[in-house]
Amino acid sequence: EIQMTQSPTSLSASVGDRVTIPCRASQSIDTYLNWYQQKPGKACKLLISGTSTLQSGVPSRFSGSGSGTDFTLTISSLQPEDFATYYCQQSYSTPWTFGQGTKVEI
Amino acid sequence: QVQLQESGPGLVKPSETLSLTCTVSGGSISGYYWSWIRQPPGKGLEWIGYVHYTGTTNYNPSLKSRVSISLDTSKNHFSLKLRSVTAADTAVYYCAREDLDNDGYYYVDSWGLGTLVTVSS
Repeated sequence: EIQMTQSPTSLSASVGDRVTIPCRASQSIDTYLNWYQQKPGKACKLLISGTSTLQSGVPSRFSGSGSGTDFTLTISSLQPEDFATYYCQQSYSTPWTFGQGTKVEI
Repeated sequence: QVQLQESGPGLVKPSETLSLTCTVSGGSISGYYWSWIRQPPGKGLEWIGYVHYTGTTNYNPSLKSRVSISLDTSKNHFSLKLRSVTAADTAVYYCAREDLDNDGYYYVDSWGLGTLVTVSS
């Protein structure tokens, strides 16, 4: 099973900040990496698939990069609606596994 | 826009079977993978497994001996059964839809809101 590590598990930021959220895989997963956003009381939302493919309707301030074992989700200018928990997930091999999540808070 | 809704008991006794159903609306079951994912209180997400619309299943090895996921295309829903539950199975259970794109990437593109299942006597 591939382990996914997200550190830190929380970070503080302000509106307008550039935020980077790292994710590391325990072995190479090529570019088989997805990012999700979770808000309390709302369904999880897919932001990015295949490391860098932005999903339809997701603002362009979100971007993803990386390959192999190290990946990053970047929010170029944090907006009030972006305060949430972000999870990375590998889809290189089953069982799919998720990082512990990074909570972005004020 | 497809919508998914979990339903089932919120309380299950230890050693019994947890049973949940996910109703799919606004879209067809065909062409996709239908998954269950859970999140213990205060913890991260754990993929339980999926059933493909053809009936093929794939389960997390950590749960494989206790889990089954099935599909009812006539009712546009799919179900989860987890046997011999313990307190460690207490979690919010999400049903979800997975897709496979032309580049070979799997991803979960739709999620339900989740339902809390507590295992307790």
